[in-house]
Amino acid sequence: DTAVSQTPKYLVTQMGNDKSIKCEQNLGHDTMYWYKQDSKKFLKIMFSYNNKELIINETVPNRFSPKSPDKAHLNLHINSLELGDSAVYFCASSQGLGRVNTEAFFGQGTRLTVV
Amino acid sequence: AQKVTQAQTEISVVEKEDVTLDCVYETRDTTYYLFWYKQPPSGELVFLIRRNSFDEQNEISGRYSWNFQKSTSSFNFTITASQVVDSAVYFCALSEGTGRRALTFGSGTRLQVQP
Repeated sequence: DTAVSQTPKYLVTQMGNDKSIKCEQNLGHDTMYWYKQDSKKFLKIMFSYNNKELIINETVPNRFSPKSPDKAHLNLHINSLELGDSAVYFCASSQGLGRVNTEAFFGQGTRLTVV
Repeated sequence: AQKVTQAQTEISVVEKEDVTLDCVYETRDTTYYLFWYKQPPSGELVFLIRRNSFDEQNEISGRYSWNFQKSTSSFNFTITASQVVDSAVYFCALSEGTGRRALTFGSGTRLQVQP
């Protein structure tokens, strides 16, 4: 069973379109994340949800809107796509154990190409 | 603010050589967590190790070993007797002790192991 799964794996779309990426985790974790990896491989946090509550919202354009319908799902919707949004988007999850930060497990990534 | 520096952009070795990947971090927190992740050519992010700031013991796992030194704010990773399958981009990452669990990643070190 895949622990963190995201769909689709590849997404090619035109500028101006709206698209969504879905993420599901079956690890029972309480925290989920979206990270963006740019063309130089740099990874940066975008959003974090804990028990469906948004706790991190980095300086991301408001065209990006995460939605967490429940603890196991965190979707990413992107409006009015731009060329600069082309990147690999990773979903991840982790479990807080009291004050201990455990490791995050990542999905396989979604390669978004905006043309 | 947190920062992780991986000064080595790319390293190339011949199979069976030992190689050390450097990681230097900055944080104002007294409690924090350090991680290493591997990103093979297939693109997924694979968790390798987590270390908390109170545990400076070095760790060995097979051919992998990690050297954590708070005095120099470093968390270096050594692969002994490297193999072609070790070829990947390796990321060092840092997270705060409480609340914000998101990872701050270094820029990654691409390791090429030649046969």
